[in-house]
Amino acid sequence: EAQVTQNPRYLITVTGKKLTVTCSQNMNHEYMSWYRQDPGLGLRQIYYSMNVEVTDKGDVPEGYKVSRKEKRNFPLILESPSPNQTSLYFCASGDSHSYNEQFFGPGTRLTVL
Amino acid sequence: GNSVTQMEGPVTLSEEAFLTINCTYTATGYPSLFWYVQYPGEGLQLLLKATKADDKGSNKGFEATYRKETTSFHLEKGSVQVSDSAVYFCALSGAQFYFGTGTSLTVIP
Repeated sequence: EAQVTQNPRYLITVTGKKLTVTCSQNMNHEYMSWYRQDPGLGLRQIYYSMNVEVTDKGDVPEGYKVSRKEKRNFPLILESPSPNQTSLYFCASGDSHSYNEQFFGPGTRLTVL
Repeated sequence: GNSVTQMEGPVTLSEEAFLTINCTYTATGYPSLFWYVQYPGEGLQLLLKATKADDKGSNKGFEATYRKETTSFHLEKGSVQVSDSAVYFCALSGAQFYFGTGTSLTVIP
């Protein structure tokens, strides 16, 4: 089944404790992206990647890191999480030939205390 | 810069009513435009798209037309069903994606 998977789905952590949210897709997509969803703000793009070893900042990259060492994986790293990073995070992937439709993962609910 | 503005919600309609959710955009160049839908507890799914001016995207009875002259991409459906209850997001893309704030729709029997 074609899908984007994220882990964990739910995470409660404390300020300053490094964490990684994994994202994997099995559709051989070149384009991958991370978003955060906050009430009243919609989805905002954090980082995106057009291909392996190519990453670019979105609208809200501060406090996040990403890497794209393999085509299928695009982990999101929070080196020192803060409470303002409490949010719902979505990973997505798409075919960069049109970079049109994106396929979204199920989301990761992160709470930073 | 690029941005998307969509109608504030929530919207509550009776079954079989007509739906319009307004979306306008600001963009440089010629972006593609999308409507995504999010059902409770799930990620977003593509509902429809249009890649150039005057294109009409359609799916599951929903339609939207890419209007360059008014920089709009309004979502419409002639007769909504309870199963259409969800949050709808307008979006535009180049290499980077921009989403609106979402419009929550509830359809009551």
